[in-house]
Amino acid sequence: DGGITQSPKYLFRKEGQNVTLSCEQNLNHDAMYWYRQDPGQGLRLIYYSQIVNDFQKGDIAEGYSVSREKKESFPLTVTSAQKNPTAFYLCASSVNRGRRDTEAFFGQGTRLTVV
Amino acid sequence: GEDVEQSLFLSVREGDSSVINCTYTDSSSTYLYWYKQEPGAGLQLLTYIFSNMDMKQDQRLTVLLNKKDKHLSLRIADTQTGDSAIYFCASAGGTSYGKLTFGQGTILTVHP
Repeated sequence: DGGITQSPKYLFRKEGQNVTLSCEQNLNHDAMYWYRQDPGQGLRLIYYSQIVNDFQKGDIAEGYSVSREKKESFPLTVTSAQKNPTAFYLCASSVNRGRRDTEAFFGQGTRLTVV
Repeated sequence: GEDVEQSLFLSVREGDSSVINCTYTDSSSTYLYWYKQEPGAGLQLLTYIFSNMDMKQDQRLTVLLNKKDKHLSLRIADTQTGDSAIYFCASAGGTSYGKLTFGQGTILTVHP
């Protein structure tokens, strides 16, 4: 059964700690994305990767880091430098067909709460 | 950069039609998408339209695109309580090559 798996579903972090959110896909997609969702603000792009070992900053990359060592995996680290990390985080992937279409498939999300 | 705008709330009665509107700024956007999000879940792709089309119909869903005004709408016929969710408009292509730009989402509430 192909899809995108995010883990954990809920995550609690103390202030000052780094935390890593997992995203794995078995769709053989080249591109992967991380979005942050806050109420009333839609989805904002944190980082994206079009190919293994390469990634680009999105609109709100400060305080976050990523790696793309394998095609299937795109973990997101929320560092202590992120001033307001409490949010719902969504991972997505898409086929990179070389055209300008980007039909993205989403995971079920991770809700991060700083306590 | 690219901007996508939606109204935040829409309330309809069960059985009526719902129309959710979206405007975008990048005239070179090539694909426009509608996603649905149920509480606590990820986004589910509902439908999409290519920029050279004016209309696309898919069962109860009708997408209208006015490229001149950069306006996109999603009509849901015979709206049901199960359609209550957040609906996101997104654009791709143009200056947003390789990534999607989302609107804020429209919260659709369907009353019995």
